[in-house]
Amino acid sequence: AQSVTQLDSQVPVFEEAPVELRCNYSSSVSVYLFWYVQYPNQGLQLLLKYLSGSTLVKSINGFEAEFNKSQTSFHLRKPSVHISDTAEYFCAVSPTGANNLFFGTGTRLTVIP
Amino acid sequence: DGGITQSPKYLFRKEGQNVTLSCEQNLNHDAMYWYRQDPGQGLRLIYYSQIVNDFQKGDIAEGYSVSREKKESFPLTVTSAQKNPTAFYLCASSPRKAGGRETQYFGPGTRLLVL
Repeated sequence: AQSVTQLDSQVPVFEEAPVELRCNYSSSVSVYLFWYVQYPNQGLQLLLKYLSGSTLVKSINGFEAEFNKSQTSFHLRKPSVHISDTAEYFCAVSPTGANNLFFGTGTRLTVIP
Repeated sequence: DGGITQSPKYLFRKEGQNVTLSCEQNLNHDAMYWYRQDPGQGLRLIYYSQIVNDFQKGDIAEGYSVSREKKESFPLTVTSAQKNPTAFYLCASSPRKAGGRETQYFGPGTRLLVL
């Protein structure tokens, strides 16, 4: 069985400060890892994903996440947040060979001016 | 523009009524999914389909039904057996079943409310 844990349900942070959103998972098989972002009253959009290769993956808007196999983590970071980053962020895993994604409960990031 | 459309944006259901949520995609994707989103619970899979005329139950299929008669369309019916249907419903699609590597693309969602 797979599970995804996002311990922080809400993270407030001041504009231009760094942020880390934590994600841990458990799985008996290898997994692919994803971060999705959801802006208010909208669907989810892919932010970044890890499939293989370099454990550090980056998005086009300055976010990055590092796959740590020993700690079964895939934390999302940004060195300097903007007001426009205010949204809910979901970590998700897909076991290799599986048909679907397993989502965490989400972290609501609020950027304070 | 390619994408996924869901309608309506808001839907009201009366007691004992079945309602159908529409999901259409013009991305030529093989796989389609329905998720339910409740506050603080993340997304939970209701049904998914990898190919026309075939679909599989997800984690919370009870009280829901689907059909996949066309590649582009994957409607979800919330039946009267679903006792707590108030939620935000998201439809998604992905290019094909590829062992979990594929990105899922989401529609804008339908918010279902019970009168």
